Amino acid sequence: DQQVKQNSPSLSVQEGRISILNCDYTNSMFDYFLWYKKYPAEGPTFLISISSIKDKNEDGRFTVFLNKSAKHLSLHIVPSQPGDSAVYFCAASTSGTYKYIFGTGTRLKVLA
Amino acid sequence: GAVVSQHPSRVICKSGTSVKIECRSLDFQATTMFWYRQFPKKSLMLMATSNEGSKATYEQGVEKDKFLINHASLTLSTLTVTSAHPEDSSFYICSASGQGNSPLHFGNGTRLTVT
Repeated sequence: DQQVKQNSPSLSVQEGRISILNCDYTNSMFDYFLWYKKYPAEGPTFLISISSIKDKNEDGRFTVFLNKSAKHLSLHIVPSQPGDSAVYFCAASTSGTYKYIFGTGTRLKVLA
Repeated sequence: GAVVSQHPSRVICKSGTSVKIECRSLDFQATTMFWYRQFPKKSLMLMATSNEGSKATYEQGVEKDKFLINHASLTLSTLTVTSAHPEDSSFYICSASGQGNSPLHFGNGTRLTVT
């Protein structure tokens, strides 16, 4: 049972445009969400997080939106840069558990 | 920022041998570390939670006698793949977190190939 889903395995975007990566979850107990970026043969790198008490968190070119009623979150990258090309994972957890459930990832390719 | 170091980055071993992977938190104390496994084009699958000074907690379907975890100090956890088989070949990643709902920091992973 995949509690965190990223239904788009890949996404291509032109440099300078907006990249939107989506993530859906099924467990209503999740209250903390994160996005990670991963290059091949490397561990994931933390990008941005959001708590369920918020619906938006922004950090530079990265913004995460949370829609609790729809159990959906998205990562917006604007403007997209070729260096953003990587696999992006969303992850979710419940307070106090320290356990993070990861989605299957979306491979983003930013075209120069 | 917080750094997690994982060693080795790549290992090739023969069937039947054991392989140890180390995970160190370099600039913070981690009472809890996590071991993940990633299959090609798949998500990061949590294998076990490593607790300093106590037994690890394994996820359903993960053999604790095959994947031995030791968390002897606040900065070091080890995963030993015992009697390795070719199907154990995978990318293993450790992670650690500070306190509360803080982001996980990941090591760079270990590519294990069992021949």
